[in-house]
Amino acid sequence: TQLLEQSPQFLSIQEGENLTVYCNSSSVFSSLQWYRQEPGEGPVLLVTVVTGGEVKKLKRLTFQFGDARKDSSLHITAAQTGDTGLYLCAGDKGAQKLVFGQGTRLTINP
Amino acid sequence: GAVVSQHPSWVICKSGTSVKIECRSLDFQATTMFWYRQFPKQSLMLMATSNEGSKATYEQGVEKDKFLINHASLTLSTLTVTSAHPEDSSFYICSASPLGLAGDVNEQFFGPGTRLTVL
Repeated sequence: TQLLEQSPQFLSIQEGENLTVYCNSSSVFSSLQWYRQEPGEGPVLLVTVVTGGEVKKLKRLTFQFGDARKDSSLHITAAQTGDTGLYLCAGDKGAQKLVFGQGTRLTINP
Repeated sequence: GAVVSQHPSWVICKSGTSVKIECRSLDFQATTMFWYRQFPKQSLMLMATSNEGSKATYEQGVEKDKFLINHASLTLSTLTVTSAHPEDSSFYICSASPLGLAGDVNEQFFGPGTRLTVL
């Protein structure tokens, strides 16, 4: 069973539209991270959320950690073609281990 | 800051040979590094946790005799795929967590990955 469920797994939208990616779990995490990965490269850390209810903004990206620290969302406003990539959420289970979601493959069409 | 490198970036080898992949933290020290593998269009799967100066901890289902891990210093971990077979072909990625990171946040920084193809 997947500990972290990401949805949707695939998303293709037009440039300028808004979108939200969800990362859900029945487990509580001490922190949760969002990464973006380009083909043939390693994941790049976008943000770490630690406190329940926390909201962090990174330009057009808004990240939210659920109050119970079991879920998170990533919202992109006015998507651009440069936002295309694989977005991964990862939860800290403790013992320094990260558990990754399946990923959301995002395609922004011009 | 927090740059992690991997070498080689890609390797093609014959079945039965061994391949060593290096993971280096370039501008920070890490007592712990992690090795993941990623199949096409899939997410990252943790293979093992590499501890400086001690034995690696392997995840369930990962053969420790096949995937040898050596964490020789605070900036270098190596993964050796022994007697590689075509089913070992994958994208191998390492990560490291800086020493002395504020609080208890497990923030990992990833290398660029190594594409292994076994013929």
